[in-house]
Amino acid sequence: AQSVAQPEDQVNVAEGNPLTVKCTYSVSGNPYLFWYVQYPNRGLQFLLKYITGDNLVKGSYGFEAEFNKSQTSFHLKKPSALVSDSALYFCAVRGGTDSWGKLQFGAGTQVVVTP
Amino acid sequence: DAGITQSPRYKITETGRQVTLMCHQTWSHSYMFWYRQDLGHGLRLIYYSAAADITDKGEVPDGYVVSRSKTENFPLTLESATRSQTSVYFCASSALPTGLSGYTFGSGTRLTVV
Repeated sequence: AQSVAQPEDQVNVAEGNPLTVKCTYSVSGNPYLFWYVQYPNRGLQFLLKYITGDNLVKGSYGFEAEFNKSQTSFHLKKPSALVSDSALYFCAVRGGTDSWGKLQFGAGTQVVVTP
Repeated sequence: DAGITQSPRYKITETGRQVTLMCHQTWSHSYMFWYRQDLGHGLRLIYYSAAADITDKGEVPDGYVVSRSKTENFPLTLESATRSQTSVYFCASSALPTGLSGYTFGSGTRLTVV
């Protein structure tokens, strides 16, 4: 069975400071990893994904994530946070043996960026 | 969220009533999914579908029924609504079975069961 853990319910950061949102996973086979963002009263929006290749993945809005196979982690990062980055962030994983492409989501991490 | 629409956006229903949440996508994506979002639980998969007339249960299917007679529609029915089904429901679609394209989500339906 696949699972995703986001250990922090909320991350607080000042505008201009680096932002990190943590994610660890457990899957069978090679993982497919995703980050989504949700703004209030909206659906989830795709940010970035790791399928294979370079461990550092770049995505939308200046976000990037680093895949670490030995630590089974896929942390989301942004070098300089903006107030507009305040939102709910979800990590998701699909196991390599899942032919249906079902994604398992973490519980989400609320990011609050203060001016 | 152009291309995948959910209706209604908000719904209040009474315990015991049947209610159907609609999901329509215009991309002809084969794969469609229903999730519910609850505080502390993130998104949990209710049902999914690989094509018309092919559906299967997810993590939390009890009390729900789905159908998929056409590729573009994937309605979710609560047969007899309970208060525990108060939640925000999201429909999603994917073009590829491997999930390489990720999901595209609808805007959600906020359901309150009183």
